[in-house]
Amino acid sequence: DTAVSQTPKYLVTQMGNDKSIKCEQNLGHDTMYWYKQDSKKFLKIMFSYNNKELIINETVPNRFSPKSPDKAHLNLHINSLELGDSAVYFCASSQEQGAGYTFGSGTRLTVV
Amino acid sequence: AQKVTQAQTEISVVEKEDVTLDCVYETRDTTYYLFWYKQPPSGELVFLIRRNSFDEQNEISGRYSWNFQKSTSSFNFTITASQVVDSAVYFCALILNQAGTALIFGKGTTLSVSS
Repeated sequence: DTAVSQTPKYLVTQMGNDKSIKCEQNLGHDTMYWYKQDSKKFLKIMFSYNNKELIINETVPNRFSPKSPDKAHLNLHINSLELGDSAVYFCASSQEQGAGYTFGSGTRLTVV
Repeated sequence: AQKVTQAQTEISVVEKEDVTLDCVYETRDTTYYLFWYKQPPSGELVFLIRRNSFDEQNEISGRYSWNFQKSTSSFNFTITASQVVDSAVYFCALILNQAGTALIFGKGTTLSVSS
């Protein structure tokens, strides 16, 4: 039933490790997004894919690499994790420009 | 560049009070969409309303109402007779009608409703 699902919900890892967050949507939407919410609750776009094609790539360190194997999935891989990467990462999807986004429940990443 | 400003960082009210959350946006585009999302303490982002730039009609949904004024570039949100369950962070957001652009959020307003 879940429209946009992210796994894992919580991720605690040490500095320097590599980790991935997975996202899947069953809404048939063409576009998917990754947002980062920092400790002050500010939500910022990181990446967007439309039908497996990267269309938005904001100023994000190269250590972050999105991958979209098909239009229902958008994963986020992070290399060499740093303390500053600690945040909540939200996946979202939308059907068309201007339509509301459906968000996943978020992944709380803590780097220690 | 586009921008969304929510000047109120935190608001505290007592149950049954009315409260208005302000949102001011900036864009040079004539076609855009405005949104409000709610983030309760459980952390998920819940869609509340979407309004396009050509529709300035106010909207009411139960205790919630929205006032969109293009003349002042504002899209304010009022909760009438607030309840404890309204306690959350509320985000105003903007997206242009241009492919390749994404939803831009304001910094959010934390609303605390006490009993």
